[in-house]
Amino acid sequence: ETGVTQTPRHLVMGMTNKKSLKCEQHLGHNAMYWYKQSAKKPLELMFVYNFKEQTENNSVPSRFSPECPNSSHLFLHLHTLQPEDSALYLCASSLAGENTGELFFGEGSRLTVL
Amino acid sequence: GQNIDQPTEMTATEGAIVQINCTYQTSGFNGLFWYQQHAGEAPTFLSYNVLDGLEEKGRFSSFLSRSKGYSYLLLKELQMKDSASYLCAVTDSNYQLIWGAGTKLIIKP
Repeated sequence: ETGVTQTPRHLVMGMTNKKSLKCEQHLGHNAMYWYKQSAKKPLELMFVYNFKEQTENNSVPSRFSPECPNSSHLFLHLHTLQPEDSALYLCASSLAGENTGELFFGEGSRLTVL
Repeated sequence: GQNIDQPTEMTATEGAIVQINCTYQTSGFNGLFWYQQHAGEAPTFLSYNVLDGLEEKGRFSSFLSRSKGYSYLLLKELQMKDSASYLCAVTDSNYQLIWGAGTKLIIKP
């Protein structure tokens, strides 16, 4: 138990579906992150929120849409995805967003796009 | 470009010692992390090095040489539960976190 909870753990969707991934952290952290993890590849940072404000968007396609309603919750809205978007999506949080402190990860949402 | 290199896979024997290397080429340096990730689980923090030298934490130690752009994670008295992927990551001068692809460690009895 890392203090970061992600739901759903597994998701299968068609290319025309709309779904959302949810992340909640109970650690009192100020920064939250979405990462994409594909087999044998480095973690890819997608979005960063510091104090609910988006501070990074690493050239992520618009079919991924993040939402951060408060410091404890983070969503990733998915629509019109492609099969190559199938991956493990990890949420993480930290005290601040300067990457000098420990990241706390959720267990991830395994996404399969058919 | 920025790059982190670590072996894709390593195999070791229960009770033995294994060293997982990580070399990096980044624009500046503000620290190096090691994370452990068991299959199907969240990555969890193992160590953080910002100064040269060896940091020991129980059976795990992490070494850093900034002049060589090199780190290693040393695991002693290996146990079956140490079978996992080990991720190396470096914070660059812009405080961006650059990740390696991870090393899958297989422990055999």
